[in-house]
Amino acid sequence: GDSVTQMEGPVTLSEEAFLTINCTYTATGYPSLFWYVQYPGEGLQLLLKATKADDKGSNKGFEATYRKETTSFHLEKGSVQVSDSAVYFCALSDLSFQKLVFGTGTRLLVSP
Amino acid sequence: DAGVIQSPRHEVTEMGQEVTLRCKPISGHDYLFWYRQTMMRGLELLIYFNNNVPIDDSGMPEDRFSAKMPNASFSTLKIQPSEPRDSAVYFCASSLKGAPNQPQHFGDGTRLSIL
Repeated sequence: GDSVTQMEGPVTLSEEAFLTINCTYTATGYPSLFWYVQYPGEGLQLLLKATKADDKGSNKGFEATYRKETTSFHLEKGSVQVSDSAVYFCALSDLSFQKLVFGTGTRLLVSP
Repeated sequence: DAGVIQSPRHEVTEMGQEVTLRCKPISGHDYLFWYRQTMMRGLELLIYFNNNVPIDDSGMPEDRFSAKMPNASFSTLKIQPSEPRDSAVYFCASSLKGAPNQPQHFGDGTRLSIL
C-alpha cells in the first residue's frame, strides 16, 4: 500500500542554520504531497503542498519540490528560527484522494 | 471562523470506564476524520466520514471503539470498555472535500489517559 518515509529525528540546529528534512514515498499513481507542522499541544496544520510532479510548494520560508523521478518531497528552509521548533509530517493523498497517509514525523529543535 | 473544536482537552479515567470524545467540525466541511497519535505508532487514521456517512473504518483497532456522526456538526468517538493501551492523543480533523485540493483542519486534540 501507499507509504511515506521520513528521516528520524530529532533534528537539532542552531538559529539561522539551513534545514533539510527528507521525505520519500511509495504510491500507486500520482499522489499529491503535503507537509504538515505540529506545534506543542496543538493539532497539525498544513504547511505546504504540491499536486503534480515538479511543483514547488512554499510557505513561511519553507519549500519542497515534488520529485517524481526520486519519489521525494524534501522540506527545506534557508534560515531556521527558534519558533520553527515543532514536529513536521510528510503526507500523501491516497488514490481515492479522500484521505491522507502520514509519515512518522520529524521533530525539529532550534536553539538560539 | 472557528476551527475544529474537540472536547474534552484532557481526560483521565480508570480502565473499564466508557470514554466519549467529541468533535465539532468546521461548518460546511464534508469530511470528518478521527486520528490517534502515540509515540510508538505515530499518527493513525481510525475512521472517516463523508456527509455524515462512515466511509472507511478499517483503522478502528477493536470492537471497543465506535464512532458516530449524527449530523453535520457533531461527531463522537467512544471507547467501551477503555484499557490503558488506549492512552493517546486523539485528533479530529475536517475538510471541505477530499485531498488533494483541500487541506485537513485539525482540532487541538484530546489527551486521554487510562489508568
